[in-house]
Amino acid sequence: GENVEQHPSTLSVQEGDSAVIKCTYSDSASNYFPWYKQELGKRPQLIIDIRSNVGEKKDQRIAVTLNKTAKHFSLHITETQPEDSAVYFCAASLTGGGNKLTFGTGTQLKVEL
Amino acid sequence: GAVVSQHPSWVICKSGTSVKIECRSLDFQATTMFWYRQFPKQSLMLMATSNEGSKATYEQGVEKDKFLINHASLTLSTLTVTSAHPEDSSFYICSASRPSGAALGEQFFGPGTRLTVL
Repeated sequence: GENVEQHPSTLSVQEGDSAVIKCTYSDSASNYFPWYKQELGKRPQLIIDIRSNVGEKKDQRIAVTLNKTAKHFSLHITETQPEDSAVYFCAASLTGGGNKLTFGTGTQLKVEL
Repeated sequence: GAVVSQHPSWVICKSGTSVKIECRSLDFQATTMFWYRQFPKQSLMLMATSNEGSKATYEQGVEKDKFLINHASLTLSTLTVTSAHPEDSSFYICSASRPSGAALGEQFFGPGTRLTVL
């Protein structure tokens, strides 16, 4: 089955700096890669996703890049703000295969003033 | 659109009792629903996948006789934790997916249920 690794486990940045979180996946058939933000005790919130037919996607301060050959995908947050502090999870799935998501281990992002 | 609710939001029960958690898709028909368990400071671990009208598919290591899943309609799935023990205390989250459309592959998550077994 799919295995998703995520790094780093914790990330501390100064407000206004950029943050990058990286994931690798094992199943080359995976074609859907969402990123979630989860605050303590809350549901995961989809912040951006990318499908295997594109290499990059951007939404305001958030961008995701995908390298299918290397089976890597990354989340980039620019101009970080204190409200960006949360746990971020990457995930991978094969659409049409029951959409089963495999999550990474999570990154605790702390944006310091 | 694509709202998923869960009930209850939290529950405390005694060891040995059973607890039922409901997951509903409020504004769409969900052909597939998923149940996850999340321990503190850990990731979401898929427990099972359920399709309306058929038996759930459990992930390796998840006891199907302990975690009973019923997906009786396209908008409702239930998870029953039978004979709960303190080690079952966790955050249980459901999600639902739509069969087609632009959001293919996307899962819509419920708010989660915090289960504490005394």
